[in-house]
Amino acid sequence: DVKVTQSSRYLVKRTGEKVFLECVQDMDHENMFWYRQDPGLGLRLIYFSYDVKMKEKGDIPEGYSVSREKKERFSLILESASTNQTSMYLCASTRPGLEGGVQYFGAGTRLSVL
Amino acid sequence: QKEVEQNSGPLSVPEGAIASLNCTYSDRGSQSFFWYRQYSGKSPELIMFIYSNGDKEDGRFTAQLNKASQYVSLLIRDSQPSDSATYLCAVDYYKLSFGAGTTVTVRA
Repeated sequence: DVKVTQSSRYLVKRTGEKVFLECVQDMDHENMFWYRQDPGLGLRLIYFSYDVKMKEKGDIPEGYSVSREKKERFSLILESASTNQTSMYLCASTRPGLEGGVQYFGAGTRLSVL
Repeated sequence: QKEVEQNSGPLSVPEGAIASLNCTYSDRGSQSFFWYRQYSGKSPELIMFIYSNGDKEDGRFTAQLNKASQYVSLLIRDSQPSDSATYLCAVDYYKLSFGAGTTVTVRA
């Protein structure tokens, strides 16, 4: 079974803190993604990576950065957390090509910024 | 940003009935279409994908695609209480655009 593991299920941070969300996948997938999910808005893509050290902005990259130093690990960084970044964050991975829509998700990290 | 619209719901159906979920998309060039199911408090999981016009059946689920009308649907036959979840429509093949989801409740 594909496993995508997110480092934390719940996080509480203060405004202005630097926040790291970690994601690891064990299926040697080339593509990895970070989404946030908010009620009524569905899943919105923040960033994705199609190879080590490669990244591409998604639809809502402002206030976020990412790092992919190893193929299996994709990190999301909130440089200075703000209350409007309180959300559920989901990591996903997939192979490239037509199967790319078959995404495997981690369990999610619910982040609260106070 | 590609737009994906789903019927807003929530949708309540009796056990054993057919649940019909609809999705329209804005990018006429989209090639691949996916339905994900998300139980409350859980992450999304893939139910089906469809690439070609027409119907695709998998057990009690049928996906229907009409590219000319930019429309994709999901039918759940013989609905069960375990089908109660939010269903997400997603479009394209590697950089997915998701709809906001339709919440389905199957009442016993």
